[in-house]
Amino acid sequence: AQSVTQPDIHITVSEGASLELRCNYSYGATPYLFWYVQSPGQGLQLLLKYFSGDTLVQGIKGFEAEFKRSQSSFNLRKPSVHWSDAAEYFCAVGATGGSYIPTFGRGTSLIVHP
Amino acid sequence: ETGVTQTPRHLVMGMTNKKSLKCEQHLGHNAMYWYKQSAKKPLELMFVYNFKEQTENNSVPSRFSPECPNSSHLFLHLHTLQPEDSALYLCASSPTSGGAADTQYFGPGTRLTVL
Repeated sequence: AQSVTQPDIHITVSEGASLELRCNYSYGATPYLFWYVQSPGQGLQLLLKYFSGDTLVQGIKGFEAEFKRSQSSFNLRKPSVHWSDAAEYFCAVGATGGSYIPTFGRGTSLIVHP
Repeated sequence: ETGVTQTPRHLVMGMTNKKSLKCEQHLGHNAMYWYKQSAKKPLELMFVYNFKEQTENNSVPSRFSPECPNSSHLFLHLHTLQPEDSALYLCASSPTSGGAADTQYFGPGTRLTVL
């Protein structure tokens, strides 16, 4: 079965600074990978997803993520954080040959200082 | 109304009450899901419905009873809950009959407090 680890519970950055949120997965083949964002009082919204092809994926709101097979990672990045990016971020992995329900990580809470 | 809606947004109930959570999706999707979100824990998948048929029950206690009368509506009936059931309950839908590549569309959730 697949699993996903988000090693950082909280990340604090200053507005305008760059951001990288870490995600590591465990799966025997190339998985489907997702990043979702949850703003306070809201449900989860898809930021981006990787299925195959180009390992650098562009998403909404200026986010991107890079799939690195050798590191089993799918880290989320943004070059300049805005105060409105403060939210909970979830990485998820879907198995291409098994259970069709993606597995979610515990989430990383992003705090943005003015 | 668009997307996935959930009602009520907040619910406080006693351990002996019976209540229901409602989810409606306006996206024409065929799969619907219930998740439980507790503080600092991974999202817990509870139930999955594809074309109104339940395809997954993730060992959920019988005090939670789902109902899916059609592909657009999903209910979660609650009875004799425990305080540890207090959480945010999220409903989601996806386009096809479930697939690892599917994007899930989430509602805003119902914040449940069991006293």
